[in-house]
Amino acid sequence: DVKVTQSSRYLVKRTGEKVFLECVQDMDHENMFWYRQDPGLGLRLIYFSYDVKMKEKGDIPEGYSVSREKKERFSLILESASTNQTSMYLCASSIPGLRSGNTIYFGEGSWLTVV
Amino acid sequence: GESVGLHLPTLSVQEGDNSIINCAYSNSASDYFIWYKQESGKGPQFIIDIRSNMDKRQGQRVTVLLNKTVKHLSLQIAATQPGDSAVYFCAENPYNFNKFYFGSGTKLNVKP
Repeated sequence: DVKVTQSSRYLVKRTGEKVFLECVQDMDHENMFWYRQDPGLGLRLIYFSYDVKMKEKGDIPEGYSVSREKKERFSLILESASTNQTSMYLCASSIPGLRSGNTIYFGEGSWLTVV
Repeated sequence: GESVGLHLPTLSVQEGDNSIINCAYSNSASDYFIWYKQESGKGPQFIIDIRSNMDKRQGQRVTVLLNKTVKHLSLQIAATQPGDSAVYFCAENPYNFNKFYFGSGTKLNVKP
């Protein structure tokens, strides 16, 4: 069974703290993604990685960075958390290429509150 | 980014009725579309997908229709059940096959 695991479901952090959100997938997928989800705005892509140590900015990368040292693990880093980064963060993975049934698999989400 | 929109933010249906959730997309070059279901407090789950060379695809109780002429996608759920209550997203894959763009979602409420 496909599995994307986000280690922290609920976090509360203070403004200015450095925050790490960890994601692990067990499907040997090349692609991994970080999205944030806000009411009325849907899912917005922060960063994605198409291979180890490779990354590409998504639509809203400001204030975030990522790390992909191993194929199965993709970390999202908030260098200095701010209140406008309070959101739900979704990690996802997929294999490259398009064919029926090839899709993005999501984790359960990490709810981050910055106070 | 690409515009993937939904006509209705909330849809209420009676249990046992059929549901139709709509989605408009803006990029005529998009060739792959997915519907996701997201239950409260959970991550999105894949429901069904369709390629642009198809007009219709059926799954278990779900059917996706694609109208490329008007750039419209719909998800039909037959005999809607309480467990179908969730937010439904369509996703569009234009240009770069590594990226998907999602709409804001339609909330489906199933009344007993």
